[in-house]
Amino acid sequence: AQSVTQLGSHVSVSEGALVLLRCNYSSSVPPYLFWYVQYPNQGLQLLLKYTSAATLVKGINGFEAEFKKSETSFHLTKPSAHMSDAAEYFCAVSDPNAGSSNTGKLIFGQGTTLQVKP
Amino acid sequence: SAVISQKPSRDICQRGTSLTIQCQVDSQVTMMFWYRQQPGQSLTLIATANQGSEATYESGFVIDKFPISRPNLTFSTLTVSNMSPEDSSIYLCSVERGMEQYFGPGTRLTVT
Repeated sequence: AQSVTQLGSHVSVSEGALVLLRCNYSSSVPPYLFWYVQYPNQGLQLLLKYTSAATLVKGINGFEAEFKKSETSFHLTKPSAHMSDAAEYFCAVSDPNAGSSNTGKLIFGQGTTLQVKP
Repeated sequence: SAVISQKPSRDICQRGTSLTIQCQVDSQVTMMFWYRQQPGQSLTLIATANQGSEATYESGFVIDKFPISRPNLTFSTLTVSNMSPEDSSIYLCSVERGMEQYFGPGTRLTVT
């Protein structure tokens, strides 16, 4: 069975500092991996995805993530935090062998709240 | 991309009643998905809805509690039946397009 673990339910950084949000997955097959962001009282927005192409994935708003199979990790980073990055971030995994829907059935991590201090 | 709308955006309901949530997509999709996000929690898949067949429910979710309709390729409804305060959550529908999952804005349900 697949699972996702996000280390740290709350992360606080200063504006301009490096953002690192951790995600580890468990899967019997190479999965598809996603990072979503949820701003207060809004829906989920896809930041980036890994679908077995390049291991370093660049997303929107300056975020990127690296798929490391040996570490079963897909950590999200941003070199310099901005106040507008404050939000909830979710890592999610899907099974590429899930049949007709490759990405529809997502398993989400518990989420990490990112706080950006001025 | 996909544009997804949900109605209502929020509601406050009394326990024992039922609420039907609507999800509309801007173009045809094969499968639609319903997720629940309980307060302070992550998202959990409730069921997958295909047009013309019964929805497939995940472990812990049953049709009697969460009946789903999928009358055509752009629309689906989720009903939360016989509600209790534990059903207070955000309910989101989503669709897959181009190996990406798109989510609606959610319906925030509070059961008193």
